[in-house]
Amino acid sequence: SQQGEEDPQALSIQEGENATMNCSYKTSINNLQWYRQNSGRGLVHLILIRSNEREKHSGRLRVTLDTSKKSSSLLITASRAADTASYFCATGPWGGYNTDKLIFGTGTRLQVFP
Amino acid sequence: SAVISQKPSRDICQRGTSLTIQCQVDSQVTMMFWYRQQPGQSLTLIATANQGSEATYESGFVIDKFPISRPNLTFSTLTVSNMSPEDSSIYLCSVEDKGTRETQYFGPGTRLLVL
Repeated sequence: SQQGEEDPQALSIQEGENATMNCSYKTSINNLQWYRQNSGRGLVHLILIRSNEREKHSGRLRVTLDTSKKSSSLLITASRAADTASYFCATGPWGGYNTDKLIFGTGTRLQVFP
Repeated sequence: SAVISQKPSRDICQRGTSLTIQCQVDSQVTMMFWYRQQPGQSLTLIATANQGSEATYESGFVIDKFPISRPNLTFSTLTVSNMSPEDSSIYLCSVEDKGTRETQYFGPGTRLLVL
């Protein structure tokens, strides 16, 4: 399977703490994206990092990418109860800029306690 | 951005029956995608639906089981045919961002339980 692996599978933290989740993938990529899913609903795109970038920030989100290790991490700083959700990484394959073969990781379930 | 709606939001069906899921987008899009998310699992792409052509199915998914229609640039349907309990999943449609063509917008999903 080409599916990416994420760890941890589940993470429980207190409000105000930072949450870090990791994603590993297998093939060469054009970009890597992170999505959030609340309670089995639709996914919401959070952030995209390209293969030639090493770090990207968006608000309380920080994403890193290490293409030599085929891995990425998502850091959520100063977490809130509203951040409780499942987080998925998705890779866009090398050789194409369209999304017709996005490959999603296994996901991390984040629980933030008030 | 794109706003996507799906109908029904959830359903409980008997084995052997079929269910058609509708996906409506608020703007014209070329490519629409259908995913399956089994309980506690990640998303698996079922097929890509382009208007005016046959859907392209991923390995493990066949047209007889998951027929797809794409009658225009804002609408698509996915039918889950001859259902079994193993088909119990969330089914999601999505479209690509027309500007970047790198990210996707997702519908809220259809939660299906087959008894």
